[in-house]
Amino acid sequence: AQSVSQHNHHVILSEAASLELGCNYSYGGTVNLFWYVQYPGQHLQLLLKYFSGDPLVKGIKGFEAEFIKSKFSFNLRKPSVQWSDTAEYFCAVKGTSGTYKYIFGTGTRLKVLA
Amino acid sequence: DAGITQSPRHKVTETGTPVTLRCHQTENHRYMYWYRQDPGHGLRLIHYSYGVKDTDKGEVSDGYSVSRSKTEDFLLTLESATSSQTSVYFCAISLQGRDTEAFFGQGTRLTVV
Repeated sequence: AQSVSQHNHHVILSEAASLELGCNYSYGGTVNLFWYVQYPGQHLQLLLKYFSGDPLVKGIKGFEAEFIKSKFSFNLRKPSVQWSDTAEYFCAVKGTSGTYKYIFGTGTRLKVLA
Repeated sequence: DAGITQSPRHKVTETGTPVTLRCHQTENHRYMYWYRQDPGHGLRLIHYSYGVKDTDKGEVSDGYSVSRSKTEDFLLTLESATSSQTSVYFCAISLQGRDTEAFFGQGTRLTVV
């Protein structure tokens, strides 16, 4: 069955600290990978996506993620977090054939202390 | 933001009553999805649609039904609401095919008392 695992449920960092959020997926085929962000009280917004090509993808607000196919991983990184990065982050996977369902992880709640 | 409107945005209903949530899009995207968001569970897919009158179940479809009679509208119905269906419901849309992302609506907060 398709699934996404996010290992960190809650992360607390101070401003300027580096961030890495883990994401592993289980899927029997070629995939698209995504990170979405949800600021308090808001809907999900796309942070970045991987479709093909360079496994290191850059998104908005200084975020980047690396797709490591051999590890079925798509970890999110940011060199220096800001207080405004406080949000919940979701990793998602979608197959590239058949029916196009987006499967989400359970999310990581990030709190950045000023 | 993608043209997705969910209604109502907030609703309180009593156990055992039917409830219908509406998702309306102006993007002409073929795929539409209903998710529920609960603490500790992330987003779980309830039902999705890949075209008018074409729908399929997601991972948590029990107690829910959907209908899509027009490209722009996707309705989610709780036939007889239960307290376990208290949640935030999100509609999403996407284009058909690989290499596409989903766009989300603002969400509907449903409370079943």
